[in-house]
Amino acid sequence: GAVVSQHPSRVICKSGTSVKIECRSLDFQATTMFWYRQFPKQSLMLMATSNEGSKATYEQGVEKDKFLINHASLTLSTLTVTSAHPEDSSFYICSAGTALGNQPQHFGDGTRLSIL
Amino acid sequence: GQNIDQPTEMTATEGAIVQINCTYQTSGFNGLFWYQQHAGEAPTFLSYNVLDGLEEKGRFSSFLSRSKGYSYLLLKELQMKDSASYLCAVRDPAAGNKLTFGGGTRVLVKP
Repeated sequence: GAVVSQHPSRVICKSGTSVKIECRSLDFQATTMFWYRQFPKQSLMLMATSNEGSKATYEQGVEKDKFLINHASLTLSTLTVTSAHPEDSSFYICSAGTALGNQPQHFGDGTRLSIL
Repeated sequence: GQNIDQPTEMTATEGAIVQINCTYQTSGFNGLFWYQQHAGEAPTFLSYNVLDGLEEKGRFSSFLSRSKGYSYLLLKELQMKDSASYLCAVRDPAAGNKLTFGGGTRVLVKP
């Protein structure tokens, strides 16, 4: 069964709306969660790395004030797309990992965000 | 820098074998992962290699040569449902153990 749960699976909203996406690890403690964005026919692009209890580390070119990440517990991280615009429409996917380097990252089911 | 290369597309016939190659250049290495991604869905984990050699898991096998910076994913007895993108990803401890993904290889299985 799924080890990482992501919610919601799809969001359609008006421009200017803020959207929150949740990512939960279901049966393990995720010390690190990763947020990716994927445009059609392109590979996954890492947006930020989220460590429990500390500030997220953003990749170059990703606006931290635009994409707010909170990792308040070992099982939950949230990504908030603030004041979303049509260019933010994309497939957002989270993944979770443990401190053990030999464990694979497991991905959530993804959130398809469409901004009108 | 980090660079991971894999072919963009491959086509194969149902029942055949396809080999997807992946070459990488990273600052450090702590494992290579293969994921399968169907259109519109999130990636699902297929295999993990950290030591040289072949890992077999049913119809899927993955090979790693660290000295050559090379891996391949072998899909045997292809089925129509195997049509998907296959992503090669390297975990780099020098980059906080995050995964860096290749561009993905779209495999089309034809009857």
